[in-house]
Amino acid sequence: ILNVEQSPQSLHVQEGDSTNFTCSFPSSNFYALHWYRWETAKSPEALFVMTLNGDEKKKGRISATLNTKEGYSYLYIKGSQPEDSATYLCAFAGGTSYGKLTFGQGTILTVHP
Amino acid sequence: GAGVSQSPSNKVTEKGKDVELRCDPISGHTALYWYRQSLGQGLEFLIYFQGNSAPDKSGLPSDRFSAERTGGSVSTLTIQRTQQEDSAVYLCASSFSDRWNEQFFGPGTRLTVL
Repeated sequence: ILNVEQSPQSLHVQEGDSTNFTCSFPSSNFYALHWYRWETAKSPEALFVMTLNGDEKKKGRISATLNTKEGYSYLYIKGSQPEDSATYLCAFAGGTSYGKLTFGQGTILTVHP
Repeated sequence: GAGVSQSPSNKVTEKGKDVELRCDPISGHTALYWYRQSLGQGLEFLIYFQGNSAPDKSGLPSDRFSAERTGGSVSTLTIQRTQQEDSAVYLCASSFSDRWNEQFFGPGTRLTVL
């Protein structure tokens, strides 16, 4: 059983704060690490797909880093806005299956105005 | 362009009945995935297709669950003799291929088994 852990489970921040979350995953047989944002009453939306150790990706105020040797990824949000409030999911692709994603339980972010 | 669509959006059924859930992927996407989220649980992988074949169906919880994909497009997930524990939101996603591509999710089907 592949274990993907996310921390913290939930986070409350004030508008303008910067924040980060952690995703840990198996460090062997790695194919890719995905990050998704899931807003209430919507479908999960892809943020990043990361495949190489040392990868850093950025989309607007959100960025992510990847360390496949030690099995962790960080997601950073700079200057949080209320519209960033969502559940942030990471998902690991590896083991014996390219297409199967094993999701973490998610980090619920609430940004207060 | 059109995203991933799923039907029905809501399904209420009685225990023991069969249900079919449908997914229409984004045109041109060769890979299609089924997930479910039960109450209080995370997203759980069920099965994925590359083209019409299913390289990984390891997440199907029992032999009451089956899925097929025809013409490299539409997929149906069938649950036979539904049980209350099958109640969940069933999400479908598609991607350009099964290798390292972001997945685009549909709106889901909420299944309630009474």
